Amino acid sequence: SQTIHQWPATLVQPVGSPLSLECTVEGTSNPNLYWYRQAAGRGLQLLFYSVGIGQISSEVPQNLSASRPQDRQFILSSKKLLLSDSGFYLCAWSGGGPSTFGSGTRLTVV
Amino acid sequence: GQNIDQPTEMTATEGAIVQINCTYQTSGFNGLFWYQQHAGEAPTFLSYNVLDGLEEKGRFSSFLSRSKGYSYLLLKELQMKDSASYLCAVTFKGGSYIPTFGRGTSLIVHP
Repeated sequence: SQTIHQWPATLVQPVGSPLSLECTVEGTSNPNLYWYRQAAGRGLQLLFYSVGIGQISSEVPQNLSASRPQDRQFILSSKKLLLSDSGFYLCAWSGGGPSTFGSGTRLTVV
Repeated sequence: GQNIDQPTEMTATEGAIVQINCTYQTSGFNGLFWYQQHAGEAPTFLSYNVLDGLEEKGRFSSFLSRSKGYSYLLLKELQMKDSASYLCAVTFKGGSYIPTFGRGTSLIVHP
């Protein structure tokens, strides 16, 4: 069966520090991979999606970047965090059907 | 972009029935998903509608009308644990089938 792992679960980082969130998928090949951010009481904002290794599409201009170094690995990064980067970050995968989400990372930038 | 509209918040009584509506732009429609999200957790998949009509899964049912750009999620015999946010998401043809999410409807079930 397919599983998705996302870590860490919570993170407190100072302004200006770097960020690296990792997501891996097991049990499937060539999945579509997504990074979302969810502000408190808000919907899911799509940040990046990837349909294959090295293929990254950005949905909104921002302080973040994404990479897909392997078929089932998706990484969200930042060189210098801003206060506005705080939020709940969710990784997800799909094979054309419903999306399956990772457990999320609660990021607080202080 | 494609707007997905759903009410922000709804309240209902334990044991009752509640209907959460979702409307979307019909152009290029491919499929519609409903997810449940408890506070601080990831969304979990509830239902998927591609064709018109009602899909029933236990206490939860989802309805779709493609011509009207309208769907609803029906929750029967409400339980306290049903208090959560319910997200409507739509995929469109020509958009790499990437789901567009609504802002979610926060459902509060009270005794």
